[in-house]
Amino acid sequence: DGGITQSPKYLFRKEGQNVTLSCEQNLNHDAMYWYRQDPGQGLRLIYYSQIVNDFQKGDIAEGYSVSREKKESFPLTVTSAQKNPTAFYLCASSTSTGTAYEKLFFGSGTQLSVL
Amino acid sequence: AQSVTQPDIHITVSEGASLELRCNYSYGATPYLFWYVQSPGQGLQLLLKYFSGDTLVQGIKGFEAEFKRSQSSFNLRKPSVHWSDAAEYFCAVVDSGAGSYQLTFGKGTKLSVIP
Repeated sequence: DGGITQSPKYLFRKEGQNVTLSCEQNLNHDAMYWYRQDPGQGLRLIYYSQIVNDFQKGDIAEGYSVSREKKESFPLTVTSAQKNPTAFYLCASSTSTGTAYEKLFFGSGTQLSVL
Repeated sequence: AQSVTQPDIHITVSEGASLELRCNYSYGATPYLFWYVQSPGQGLQLLLKYFSGDTLVQGIKGFEAEFKRSQSSFNLRKPSVHWSDAAEYFCAVVDSGAGSYQLTFGKGTKLSVIP
C-alpha cells in the first residue's frame, strides 16, 4: 500500500545532541513537508520541499535542518540549537502541481522528547 | 498574514447529537479551505475541502462544511455524531493568490463523544 512512513515512533534526545527523524513516501509525490505540533498550538511548518535537491524554510525553521537527496525521502534533523525540541513531528507529502496543497498525506508522526 | 481561528478548544457532545465546529479565517483573497481530523498519536486525514463553486461541500464520514464569505467562516457539521468521531479537528487555509504551498492551520478543536 502507498503511504508515508515515519520512524521512529518515539525518540529521545539528550542535551546537545542532534537527532534525525526519518520520513519516506512511496506515493511518487514531488512535494514533502515537515510540521511541528505542540498541544493546543495546531501545526506549524518547519520546512518544505517541492522537488529533489531543493527546500525552503517554513515558519519555524530555526534549529532544524533537512535534506532532499531522493524523491522518496525527506529526513529532518533536530539540532542542538533547537532549545525546546519536545513535540510531535509530522511529515506530509502532496503532488506538486498548481494545486499542490490540494491534499496532504500525513505520516503517523514521531514524538520527540528530551531526556 | 493569513490566520485561522477555531474558537472552541474542546467540545463534548452525546452520541447521536448534531455537531458544529467553528472556523473563521482572516484573509483578503479567496481562500482555499480545508478540514482535517486527527486521532490520538496519528497523522491528519483530510475530511473535505473548498476551492470554489457550491459553498456547501460534502466530505468523508458524513461530514459537511459551509463556506460563508460574508462571515469569513467555514464551519464543519455532522447531523448525528458517532463515538468513533472523537478526535481533534483542524481547519486550514491556503492563500490561493500567492502561489503558496503553505497551509495555515488553526489550533484545533478536540471533540469528545459521550455514549
